Amino acid sequence: NAGVTQTPKFRVLKTGQSMTLLCAQDMNHEYMYWYRQDPGMGLRLIHYSVGEGTTAKGEVPDGYNVSRLKKQNFLLGLESAAPSQTSVYFCASSLPGEQYFGPGTRLTVT
Amino acid sequence: GENVEQHPSTLSVQEGDSAVIKCTYSDSASNYFPWYKQELGKGPQLIIDIRSNVGEKKDQRIAVTLNKTAKHFSLHITETQPEDSAVYFCAASYNNAGNMLTFGGGTRLMVKP
Repeated sequence: NAGVTQTPKFRVLKTGQSMTLLCAQDMNHEYMYWYRQDPGMGLRLIHYSVGEGTTAKGEVPDGYNVSRLKKQNFLLGLESAAPSQTSVYFCASSLPGEQYFGPGTRLTVT
Repeated sequence: GENVEQHPSTLSVQEGDSAVIKCTYSDSASNYFPWYKQELGKGPQLIIDIRSNVGEKKDQRIAVTLNKTAKHFSLHITETQPEDSAVYFCAASYNNAGNMLTFGGGTRLMVKP
């Protein structure tokens, strides 16, 4: 099992550009999540999904959109990137209980 | 919403000593408290968790204690080793599925050989 994988690992965007981060899991988990990690602030939940075709807002959803068209994939979109979205993004998946995290995507917006 | 405070933000110990990291939470409805370890360049990984019906849980050199009345919980690592060096995060969740986690700010633990 690969577990949770994220694509890409690194990306640099200019302000106003758009991009999509891809998360894939091969553990047949129902729940999937997107977090951002900033220094000293831990991980903050952006959006999550409790099953294929469903999404919900987390703590910091503004400026992001998500889609869960397939159970194994959870996409995070930035329509118009801003410097405040410079961060490390982590995807996670779970059954009820332990969350399994991917290796992260480091995004810089200039 | 839930607010989780974590202290200290950095902790340096000598190999073989014990390390303690403390967290407080604000929502008395929270009932699931996991601890994650994050090594450099990797995603967080669960190391131990505790539910509100238990006061203490141990797994080899690590233990977690929970005081629901005071709304705080702690991670204890005994006989620390250099490979324990990492960032540790506490979290709290108010539902049994544990899928709405609020994380603390993290503690960077450095174990000196």
